Amino acid sequence: DIQMTQSPSSLSASVGDRVTITCQASQDISNYLNWYQQKPGKAPKLLIYDASNLETGVPSRFSGSGSGTGFTFTISSLQPEDIATYYCQQYDNLPPTFGQGTRLEIK
Amino acid sequence: EVQLVESGGGLVQPGRSLRLSCTASGFTFRDYAISWVRQAPGKGLEWVGLIRNKAYGGTTEYAASVKGRFTISRDDSKSIAYLQLNSLQSEDTAVYYCTPGVVATMPHLDSWGQGTLVTVSS
Repeated sequence: DIQMTQSPSSLSASVGDRVTITCQASQDISNYLNWYQQKPGKAPKLLIYDASNLETGVPSRFSGSGSGTGFTFTISSLQPEDIATYYCQQYDNLPPTFGQGTRLEIK
Repeated sequence: EVQLVESGGGLVQPGRSLRLSCTASGFTFRDYAISWVRQAPGKGLEWVGLIRNKAYGGTTEYAASVKGRFTISRDDSKSIAYLQLNSLQSEDTAVYYCTPGVVATMPHLDSWGQGTLVTVSS
């Protein structure tokens, strides 16, 4: 199985900050990578697919980049409603695998 | 509007069985594979398995942790996918979600239900 390693596991930032999360795949996954946002008690919500494509309706302050084994997720200006846990997920090979998650808090 | 609704969760004793349902609407259900993903309390997301659409044989794939115990099926006439959970263990306690996402889709589609909680306890 492909291992997805996210960092950091938790992050505290201020409103307006630029926030970056990284995800490393244990082997080349091309650009078959999703980024999800999950708020407490809610289902995951897709933000970015194919590593860099913004899902319809998602604010443009969210972005993703990378290919191969290294990927980055960025929030350009953190908003209070962005408090959540974020997961990367590869879909190059079965089984689909998720990173362990990054818990984002407001400082 | 794309919608998925999971149902069938509840409290079940170890070793017993449960069947979950995923009722879909707002998209052409028969054209998409459906995955089940679970999340144990306070933990991350774990893919459980999927069923392909009929064009790809309607075949199934499972995570090693549930293979031989869980079975996924689908009824395209009703736009419902099922997850049969047998020989349940305490480690299977989780919220179970269904989704056409987490795999490559054409056209692109990713939506999740609200989840249904399965609690395995005596």
